[in-house]
Amino acid sequence: KAGVTQTPRYLIKTRGQQVTLSCSPISGHRSVSWYQQTPGQGLQFLFEYFSETQRNKGNFPGRFSGRQFSNSRSEMNVSTLELGDSALYLCASSLDGASYEQYFGPGTRLTVT
Amino acid sequence: GNSVTQMEGPVTLSEEAFLTINCTYTATGYPSLFWYVQYPGEGLQLLLKATKADDKGSNKGFEATYRKETTSFHLEKGSVQVSDSAVYFCALIRVRLAGGTSYGKLTFGQGTILTVHP
Repeated sequence: KAGVTQTPRYLIKTRGQQVTLSCSPISGHRSVSWYQQTPGQGLQFLFEYFSETQRNKGNFPGRFSGRQFSNSRSEMNVSTLELGDSALYLCASSLDGASYEQYFGPGTRLTVT
Repeated sequence: GNSVTQMEGPVTLSEEAFLTINCTYTATGYPSLFWYVQYPGEGLQLLLKATKADDKGSNKGFEATYRKETTSFHLEKGSVQVSDSAVYFCALIRVRLAGGTSYGKLTFGQGTILTVHP
């Protein structure tokens, strides 16, 4: 069974631009969560989607948004990029809300210049 | 709110040495506890888990026991290998119920860098 895939793996953007990251969960998984990883703040939860609905949200500004499609694939969008948005963005999928195990993708490395 | 505290790193050991990485947590209710490992350039891999007090999670020679009385989940391995060099994250999830399903978000510790020398 294929794992969680994320595209693109690397991205360089300029301040003020916007970016869209994509995540394809493991087949059959309906829950997708997004995390931001930085050296200073560590791993922080962004949001979680289940059956196309956002169920849980972390403490990030409204510039960070996401969505989930009917096939469970998810995208996250960051508008008006700031230098501090440079990070590794990780996507994790799980079977459903009752599953405690989340499986992570390799991440998208975003660099904002 | 929920929080996880890991021992400061980095940790440097010789091959076949004993490993302990301390992890303590603060959470209301009964969280599930996890150890994740991240190898260079990769995402996180679930190493082991424990869902209730006194449970012992184990995998690939690593073990951790869910101690509710001390709110701890320390990671141990009896004999480390060079291939164990990675960053280790302790994490918890506290599940909530809504609309007939349960969900939760992972709260991570800051990570501990482990380097094992031959």
